[in-house]
Amino acid sequence: KAGVTQTPRYLIKTRGQQVTLSCSPISGHRSVSWYQQTPGQGLQFLFEYFSETQRNKGNFPGRFSGRQFSNSRSEMNVSTLELGDSALYLCASSLNQDPPDTQYFGPGTRLTVL
Amino acid sequence: DAKTTQPTSMDCAEGRAANLPCNHSTISGNEYVYWYRQIHSQGPQYIIHGLKNNETNEMASLIITEDRKSSTLILPHATLRDTAVYYCIVRGLYYKLSFGAGTTVTVRA
Repeated sequence: KAGVTQTPRYLIKTRGQQVTLSCSPISGHRSVSWYQQTPGQGLQFLFEYFSETQRNKGNFPGRFSGRQFSNSRSEMNVSTLELGDSALYLCASSLNQDPPDTQYFGPGTRLTVL
Repeated sequence: DAKTTQPTSMDCAEGRAANLPCNHSTISGNEYVYWYRQIHSQGPQYIIHGLKNNETNEMASLIITEDRKSSTLILPHATLRDTAVYYCIVRGLYYKLSFGAGTTVTVRA
């Protein structure tokens, strides 16, 4: 079974631009979560989607948004990019079973903001 | 979710077992112990999880003490490819994960 895939793997943008990242979960997984990972802050939760609805949200500004499609694929968007948005963005999918609901991560998208 | 404490780093000889300790003294009854690892700049990889009993899979074994206040991840025959940062996490009913600093494991030939 194929793992979580994320596109693109690398991205370079300039301040003020916007970016859209894509995530395809493992087949059959209905929950998708997004995380931001930086050397200084570690892994931080952005949001989680299930059945096209945002179910949980982390403490990030409104410039960070996401959505999930009917096939469980998900996208996240960051508008008005800032230098501090440079990070590894990770997507994780899970079956959404009763706990524990193991999350499986994709390879990540490395975003660099210049 | 309960906080975990792990050593900052450890070395291991190739072919030997690597034993990674984790303290989680404030764990509650319905919280699971999870282990992930992350090779530099790649996505975290799920290794194993457990609640009360010891667990084993094709990658590793997880030993949880009877009082559940600590656990040990065992990589039975470490290889150079096991060099990574290993994260011990305690999770309850919520889906979001939070990684601490983890243990940087270096496997030496």
